Amino acid sequence: SQQGEEDPQALSIQEGENATMNCSYKTSINNLQWYRQNSGRGLVHLILIRSNEREKHSGRLRVTLDTSKKSSSLLITASRAADTASYFCATDGETSGSRLTFGEGTQLTVNP
Amino acid sequence: NAGVTQTPKFQVLKTGQSMTLQCAQDMNHNSMYWYRQDPGMGLRLIYYSASEGTTDKGEVPNGYNVSRLNKREFSLRLESAAPSQTSVYFCASSTRTVRNEKLFFGSGTQLSVL
Repeated sequence: SQQGEEDPQALSIQEGENATMNCSYKTSINNLQWYRQNSGRGLVHLILIRSNEREKHSGRLRVTLDTSKKSSSLLITASRAADTASYFCATDGETSGSRLTFGEGTQLTVNP
Repeated sequence: NAGVTQTPKFQVLKTGQSMTLQCAQDMNHNSMYWYRQDPGMGLRLIYYSASEGTTDKGEVPNGYNVSRLNKREFSLRLESAAPSQTSVYFCASSTRTVRNEKLFFGSGTQLSVL
């Protein structure tokens, strides 16, 4: 079963707006990661946040983690058409061994 | 710098045929993984190899076998393909110096089983 669940499933915004995607998970984690997938391509790692961190930034990306609510959010600021992609969260559970568990993803469309 | 290379990119099989998906990484990573991606299901782990010489089952191993040929190469074999194995397959690798650091993915193999 999937550990992470993204919300919303699909998001459509205008260029320049901010995009927020959420991820909820069920069990305790060591870290949570966000990946991006362009159509027809493999996933690309965006950012990793550890269980003892609450917020992390990378360029236009901001990730938050609330372990008490078992949730994370990915904020993309000042979005561009090139940000159009699917975004996945992946969790490294404390009992998952060597396995990352991926959610079903959020399809983001940024309209020019 | 090729990263993770998968072959083939596309494959069509008939039910019952066998094939091997090849994966190689040139980043000297210890761990390698095979995932499948189906619409609405996200990525599901088929098998993984934490280090050279070891392999372990993931979430959906039935119908598949793997071989960690050396540190660079990790192949996935379908012995008798079934329509349920129609999917996009991704190979990934990681350093795993600390558990579950980021994964590097190949570009995928789109497999159709008729």
